Amino acid sequence: EPEVTQTPSHQVTQMGQEVILRCVPISNHLYFYWYRQILGQKVEFLVSFYNNEISEKSEIFDDQFSVERPDGSNFTLKIRSTKLEDSAMYFCATLLATGELFFGEGSRLTVL
Amino acid sequence: SQQGEEDPQALSIQEGENATMNCSYKTSINNLQWYRQNSGRGLVHLILIRSNEREKHSGRLRVTLDTSKKSSSLLITASRAADTASYFCAAVNRDDKIIFGKGTRLHILP
Repeated sequence: EPEVTQTPSHQVTQMGQEVILRCVPISNHLYFYWYRQILGQKVEFLVSFYNNEISEKSEIFDDQFSVERPDGSNFTLKIRSTKLEDSAMYFCATLLATGELFFGEGSRLTVL
Repeated sequence: SQQGEEDPQALSIQEGENATMNCSYKTSINNLQWYRQNSGRGLVHLILIRSNEREKHSGRLRVTLDTSKKSSSLLITASRAADTASYFCAAVNRDDKIIFGKGTRLHILP
C-alpha cells in the first residue's frame, strides 16, 4: 500500500518565522507536487518537482518559498518568512505511473 | 490560466438519489481527474478519464468528458451518507501540470 507521509500534521508559528514542511513521497517515483488549500477553498498548485529539480511553479511560489530533496527520500517545502495569508493546509503528492496523484494527509500551518 | 471549475459549489441531496457535479476547464488537456476530500483530510483519487475517452465508469461513479465543450461531469449513483465530501476535478495538461478546481461540497441527507 503506497503512502505519502507529511510532518508536522499541524504547526503554529509567528509571522516572519521560517517554516519547513516535510514529506516522504512514494519511493521509486520521480515527480512530486506541493499544493496548498486555504480553509474551505480550492486546492492551489504551488510547485512540481521532477528528477530533483523544480519543473514548474505557480505565481504563489515566490522567493519566500523553496523546495528541496536533501537526502533522496524527504521532500521539503520551506517558507522563509511566513505571512498571515500563508495559513493553509499544505499537501504533498506523488505522481503515479497511472497519471493520478497520491496525496499525503497534509500539514496544517497556522500563522499568528 | 485557471482550469477545473466545478459547479455547483454545494449540493444537498437525499440518500439514494443521484448526484451530478460538473467541471469546466480552459486549455487543452491530457486527461481529467476527479478527487474526493473528506473534511480536513487529503485528496483521494477517484477516476481518470483521458482526452480521447468520452465516458468512464467505476462502481457507482460515471464520468463523462466533452473536449469540444471543455467540460466533464461526475455522476454518483445511489448516493450514500458516506459519499458526503468535497469533490474536485483536476485538469492535467500535456506537461503534467495538474490544476484543481474549487470543488463541490456534497452533502447526503439521511
